[in-house]
Amino acid sequence: DAKTTQPNSMESNEEEPVHLPCNHSTISGTDYIHWYRQLPSQGPEYVIHGLTSNVNNRMASLAIAEDRKSSTLILHRATLRDAAVYYCMPSGGSNYKLTFGKGTLLTVNP
Amino acid sequence: DTEVTQTPKHLVMGMTNKKSLKCEQHMGHRAMYWYKQKAKKPPELMFVYSYEKLSINESVPSRFSPECPNSSLLNLHLHALQPEDSALYLCASSQGVRGSGNTIYFGEGSWLTVV
Repeated sequence: DAKTTQPNSMESNEEEPVHLPCNHSTISGTDYIHWYRQLPSQGPEYVIHGLTSNVNNRMASLAIAEDRKSSTLILHRATLRDAAVYYCMPSGGSNYKLTFGKGTLLTVNP
Repeated sequence: DTEVTQTPKHLVMGMTNKKSLKCEQHMGHRAMYWYKQKAKKPPELMFVYSYEKLSINESVPSRFSPECPNSSLLNLHLHALQPEDSALYLCASSQGVRGSGNTIYFGEGSWLTVV
């Protein structure tokens, strides 16, 4: 299974941008990179995913390194509601069991 | 709002009880999953169903018995559980299983307490 490495925790201030990194050096060539987040006492929710190009949606942006061994989830203006555990997950042949890594606990200060 | 519905939200059961967790999705997804999550840990995969057939069993003890009656429903039957089985049980679904780019949609989970 693809292994991911994320910081255990990060802290941000409200209204400021947040860059959440993830290393996934064993990713396969056809694996997508998914990001999920889990708010307290809720199930994980989808945030964004991409293959090679950078991606944007209403929640976040995803920047993928050219060698695809790392990616960064960007929250452009953090809000208190963004406080959650963020998981990156390669999906596909290298991680067909869709195994979660340990994730990053994001704290947002008012 | 999640489109994967789990019931019950909370369940307390004795070690000799038999109970079931239920999950339903109407997104036309052909893969469904059970995950177990202990406090402050990431979700751990238990079972995967693909096209209503069990495709992955992550060496889960037989006191947990999954069932997929049809493509929209997934059950987890519980019998003779131990207190250490107390956890959040998450159901999820996706369009496919092994294809890249499949987004997983999770339910809110069922909080299980074994006494």
